[in-house]
Amino acid sequence: AIRMTQSPSSLSASTGDRVTITCRASQGISSYLAWYQQKPGKAPKLLIYAASTLQSGVPSRFSGSGSGTDFTLTISCLQSEDFATYYCQQYYSIWTFGQGTKVEIK
Amino acid sequence: QLQLQESGPGLVKPSETLSLTCTVSGGSISSSSYYWGWIRQPPGKGLEWIGSIYYSGSTYYNPSLKSRVTISVDTSKNQFSLKLSSVTAADTAVYYCARHFRYYDILTGSLYYMDVWGKGTTVTVSS
Repeated sequence: AIRMTQSPSSLSASTGDRVTITCRASQGISSYLAWYQQKPGKAPKLLIYAASTLQSGVPSRFSGSGSGTDFTLTISCLQSEDFATYYCQQYYSIWTFGQGTKVEIK
Repeated sequence: QLQLQESGPGLVKPSETLSLTCTVSGGSISSSSYYWGWIRQPPGKGLEWIGSIYYSGSTYYNPSLKSRVTISVDTSKNQFSLKLSSVTAADTAVYYCARHFRYYDILTGSLYYMDVWGKGTTVTVSS
């Protein structure tokens, strides 16, 4: 099974900061990677698929990059509503999630 | 607008079988463009994919749960269901159902990412 490892597990940031989260796959997955945002008590929300394609309705301050085994999610200018937990997920071979990255207020 | 709604008992006894249903509204479960699946999240922990099904009945299961999981589909009711047998306290979680959207690539064919999720239902395993 393909393992997904995110780093960091948590980070503290301020509104307006640029935030980067990384995700590494245990084997190459081409660009078959999605990013999700989850707020407490809510279902995950799809942000990005195909590593870099923004889902409809998602603000342009979110961006994704990478291919093969290494991927990043960047929030260019953190807003108050972006404090949440973010998960990467590969869909190259069945489905596997990363362990999550919690973005907290500094 | 597509909506998914999980339903089922909120409390299950250890060693018994957990049964949940996901009802799809605002769209057809019989479309060739989607898979449909279950994901769970134990309290304070991350997301774990359980298994997924195509409208034809073709399934994929998480290898770590495969021996205990059965997912089925009822196209006449626009529903799909999860059964997890021999549950323990470790199966206590919020259970989500989700639609998997088809992404076609000329090199690899059809792959699917999860684009629409239900709100989730909490299942507690306790005597």
